[in-house]
Amino acid sequence: DVKVTQSSRYLVKRTGEKVFLECVQDMDHENMFWYRQDPGLGLRLIYFSYDVKMKEKGDIPEGYSVSREKKERFSLILESASTNQTSMYLCASSSSVVDTQYFGPGTRLTVL
Amino acid sequence: EDQVTQSPEALRLQEGESSSLNCSYTVSGLRGLFWYRQDPGKGPEFLFTLYSAGEEKEKERLKATLTKKESFLHITAPKPEDSATYLCAVQAPGGGADGLTFGKGTHLIIQP
Repeated sequence: DVKVTQSSRYLVKRTGEKVFLECVQDMDHENMFWYRQDPGLGLRLIYFSYDVKMKEKGDIPEGYSVSREKKERFSLILESASTNQTSMYLCASSSSVVDTQYFGPGTRLTVL
Repeated sequence: EDQVTQSPEALRLQEGESSSLNCSYTVSGLRGLFWYRQDPGKGPEFLFTLYSAGEEKEKERLKATLTKKESFLHITAPKPEDSATYLCAVQAPGGGADGLTFGKGTHLIIQP
């Protein structure tokens, strides 16, 4: 079974803090993705990566950056957290670009 | 711009009462259409991938079908454990991002 894990289920941070969200997959997948999910807006793509050290902007990259130093790990970074970044963050991975994406359990981030 | 519309937004059924969820889409060059199930506070769980019009897939009480403009998720004789939010997503080429475009989901409640 594909397994995607995320470092925290719940996280509370203060405005202006630097926040790291970690995602690890164990299926040797090439592609990894970060989404956020908000009520009434659904899931929206923030960034994705199709190879180590490669990254591409999604639909809403502003205020975020990413890092992929190893194939199995993809990090989402909030350089200076703001209250409008309070959301559920979901990581996903897939074996090729046109293939099923498997999701992690999500991190619910609250920025105060 | 790719769009995905799911209907109804919410659906309440009695146990054993069959029904269908709709996902209509407008994309240029569909690569794949995906159905996920999401339980509260958790990440989406993969159900089906459909690639071309006329394709059908089944899993237990669920059956997904695809036409050139929409997909249906048919649920036959549902049980209370089928209660969840069902998400539809499409993947299309171009735009610089190969993530999925999601609909807002159908919240399904099965009453005993």
